[in-house]
Amino acid sequence: QSALTQPASVSGSPGQSITISCTGTSSDVGRFNYVSWYQQRPGKAPKLMIYDVTNRPSGVSNRFSGSKSGNTASLTISGLQPEDEADYYCSSYTSTSTPYVFGTGTKVTVL
Amino acid sequence: EVQFLESGGGLVQPGGSLRLSCVASGLTFSSYAMSWVRQAPGKGLEWVSVISGSGASTYYADSVKGRFTISRDNFKNTLYLQMNSLRAEDTALYYCAKGLDYRLLDYDYWGQGTLVTVSS
Repeated sequence: QSALTQPASVSGSPGQSITISCTGTSSDVGRFNYVSWYQQRPGKAPKLMIYDVTNRPSGVSNRFSGSKSGNTASLTISGLQPEDEADYYCSSYTSTSTPYVFGTGTKVTVL
Repeated sequence: EVQFLESGGGLVQPGGSLRLSCVASGLTFSSYAMSWVRQAPGKGLEWVSVISGSGASTYYADSVKGRFTISRDNFKNTLYLQMNSLRAEDTALYYCAKGLDYRLLDYDYWGQGTLVTVSS
């Protein structure tokens, strides 16, 4: 099971919106509506930001939203803020022998 | 407050063994699936293994299948990962993570990790 594909980096200015893509296959992203997104700040553990493609856990800002089309999921951060600077990872259930897979990760930089 | 504290990491030679522990507090431990996720230095996240709340079901990544064993002691609120036949590519920070709600996968609470270094 290969990692889901994400862009290595995405950047934006404060107040702008950015979108991070997460491309998988028909065995993972395309098959299940169980795509999640995690934020990881330097030296910290990951934090769940989105689950089941579009749902936000309690306490997560509504500036974060998720979507999916076919084999590609996306995370959009609206009204970009300096504290959004972090690495972001998508994940998905899979139908292969490894039941869960993460994306390659995207570094978000706030200019 | 839900908290997890991992321990057991360290330096081990290739082919050696190590057992990681993750002690939980602030939750009914036996109600939740638990997983191990690792992160090699400067690299991305890699899912390793999951165990159901009762311990009856376990699943592994292909990369560790046959070498690693996940287990739990619900009386001690502790999750374990027995790692055998260690390789250089197993070098990573190992996190324990709690399953979201009552599902096996997706994680809403994480520990801070314990570092495993495999080197001669």
